[in-house]
Amino acid sequence: GAVVSQHPSRVICKSGTSVKIECRSLDFQATTMFWYRQFPKQSLMLMATSNEGSKATYEQGVEKDKFLINHASLTLSTLTVTSAHPEDSSFYICSASRGQNYGYTFGSGTRLTVV
Amino acid sequence: QKEVEQNSGPLSVPEGAIASLNCTYSDRGSQSFFWYRQYSGKSPELIMFIYSNGDKEDGRFTAQLNKASQYVSLLIRDSQPSDSATYLCAVNRGAGSYQLTFGKGTKLSVIP
Repeated sequence: GAVVSQHPSRVICKSGTSVKIECRSLDFQATTMFWYRQFPKQSLMLMATSNEGSKATYEQGVEKDKFLINHASLTLSTLTVTSAHPEDSSFYICSASRGQNYGYTFGSGTRLTVV
Repeated sequence: QKEVEQNSGPLSVPEGAIASLNCTYSDRGSQSFFWYRQYSGKSPELIMFIYSNGDKEDGRFTAQLNKASQYVSLLIRDSQPSDSATYLCAVNRGAGSYQLTFGKGTKLSVIP
């Protein structure tokens, strides 16, 4: 299969602090990973495309200085929410693909609550 | 703006019936089409994907793609209460793109 692990599953942080979320491909190498955000009763919105060894590509309207992405290896991408505010509270999910015959697999998601 | 449209539902079907979920997309260049199931509070699970016109079957699930009509559907045969979830349609953003655009999902309820 294609397994994507994401940690932490839940995090509560104080406003103004930073939170790091990890996404790992466990049984395959992923040169590209994707970060999504999902608000309640909404669909998944792509935030950025994470590229191993190079800068991430951010979607329009997503602040790259606020949502820092690092893809330092072929199996790990991290998303850091800097200076988090209550409006950043959401469900953050990463995904990766093992190849065309496997589709895109999602991590288990991280529910971020900023208080 | 590339769009993926789904009926939000809820779609209610009795246990054992066929559930039919539909999705239309606006980008004629899209080549890859995915169906995901998402339970409340969980991340999406891939059900199946389809790249070519026609039908693709996997167990109780059949995906149907009609590129001329820009339409993709998912049929669930012998629906079970455990199939009750939100079903998300996703489409790649055009020829060669790896990014996906998701529909808002259709909530399916299978009544025992």
